[in-house]
Amino acid sequence: RKEVEQDPGPFNVPEGATVAFNCTYSNSASQSFFWYRQDCRKEPKLLMSVYSSGNEDGRFTAQLNRASQYISLLIRDSKLSDSATYLCVVRGNDYKLSFGAGTTVTVRA
Amino acid sequence: DGGITQSPKYLFRKEGQNVTLSCEQNLNHDAMYWYRQDPGQGLRLIYYSQIVNDFQKGDIAEGYSVSREKKESFPLTVTSAQKNPTAFYLCASSPQPPNYGYTFGSGTRLTVV
Repeated sequence: RKEVEQDPGPFNVPEGATVAFNCTYSNSASQSFFWYRQDCRKEPKLLMSVYSSGNEDGRFTAQLNRASQYISLLIRDSKLSDSATYLCVVRGNDYKLSFGAGTTVTVRA
Repeated sequence: DGGITQSPKYLFRKEGQNVTLSCEQNLNHDAMYWYRQDPGQGLRLIYYSQIVNDFQKGDIAEGYSVSREKKESFPLTVTSAQKNPTAFYLCASSPQPPNYGYTFGSGTRLTVV
């Protein structure tokens, strides 16, 4: 079983729509959680950390469910510039991060 | 500005050659990492180093070698023993522990010709 699993998508949504997707992780002792954004042929960049109580950053909302071992990302009022692959990232009880394969989001005009 | 620099951006290798990918950071991070990304796949860890003069194998270390002689530098050599080297290689760094995730370089795209 992979440490981090994501629905690859693609999620194809119109501008202004809300899109949400999850990822699941296998290690119940995982310490930290992140969402990264990766544009085509570019490096991943940190979008936001995910906190136990859930957190927002502008149009982005992240949730953590430790009991069910999943993390979610919701994007409100989608913009064309939100088109990217979103990587779910989990840190175990060592110092290494495990990356999901990514969920592709395409926002159309 | 602090950051992490990878070079070259594009690299072409002939069959049987060794090539070295450069990774330099001026973020004063203790830990550095090398990942490989193939199309449609996630990042796979090749090697990592948590301190100077020490490094550990990741999940796919066969055919690769590294050194960590300076805190700022973590070069990766792709040897001729690596059977499928064509990929996007990403270097990252972080403080210990990585409470705020990793910072990535812009990557090196290696192609075997």
